[in-house]
Amino acid sequence: ETGVTQTPRHLVMGMTNKKSLKCEQHLGHNAMYWYKQSAKKPLELMFVYSLEERVENNSVPSRFSPECPNSSHLFLHLHTLQPEDSALYLCASSHTGNTEAFFGQGTRLTVV
Amino acid sequence: RKEVEQDPGPFNVPEGATVAFNCTYSNSASQSFFWYRQDCRKEPKLLMSVYSSGNEDGRFTAQLNRASQYISLLIRDSKLSDSATYLCAVFGYGGSQGNLIFGKGTKLSVKP
Repeated sequence: ETGVTQTPRHLVMGMTNKKSLKCEQHLGHNAMYWYKQSAKKPLELMFVYSLEERVENNSVPSRFSPECPNSSHLFLHLHTLQPEDSALYLCASSHTGNTEAFFGQGTRLTVV
Repeated sequence: RKEVEQDPGPFNVPEGATVAFNCTYSNSASQSFFWYRQDCRKEPKLLMSVYSSGNEDGRFTAQLNRASQYISLLIRDSKLSDSATYLCAVFGYGGSQGNLIFGKGTKLSVKP
C-alpha cells in the first residue's frame, strides 16, 4: 500500500465542469500539500495545510479550492478551469517542520 | 534570482560514468535540503536528504556547501536505470510556514 494515494489518476474535464481531486495519506503526517507540475516548469506549491489548517495559499486562483477535513485527507475542488490549468497535480505529506515530503502518484488533469 | 536553480541538462552519459549535478539556492536561511528522483510521468520520489556533513548511500553522494549556497549530487558507476530527472528541494521559510521549494530538475540519460 502506498503511503500517499491520489484519485483519480487521470481526469478530463470541460471548462464548465466541477470536479474534485482526492488525496489520502497513511504515514501519520500532520502536513499536506498540493503542488502543480506543468511541462517545463518547476513544481509549484499551491496550498499547504498544517494540522488541518491552511497556512499558505501561493496566490492560487479561486477556481481552485482546497479542503482538509482531517490530517489524513486533502481535497482540491475544481470549477470553471481553463485549458492552461492542464497539468499534473501532486499531493504530498510530511511532518511539520523542515522534513522531507512524500508524494502521491498525481492526477493528470486535462481541461478541454 | 530564482529560489532554487538547476542545470536542466540533459546529461547524456555512458554506463559506468560518474556524473555530478549542482543546485543553487537563494535563501541563506534555508534549513533542509533533499534530492528527489522523478521518472517520466511519475511522481517525485525521495532519493536522499542532504546533511551538513555530507552523506553517502551506495553509489550516490550528496554534499552541502552553505557558504556558496549549493548542494550537489554525485552518481558513481551510472546504471541505465539511473535515467530520470533529478530534482533538488530546499526547505525555506517564507510567509507563515516553511515550504519545500523545488528546482526544475536535471535530466539524466544513461546510455549503453
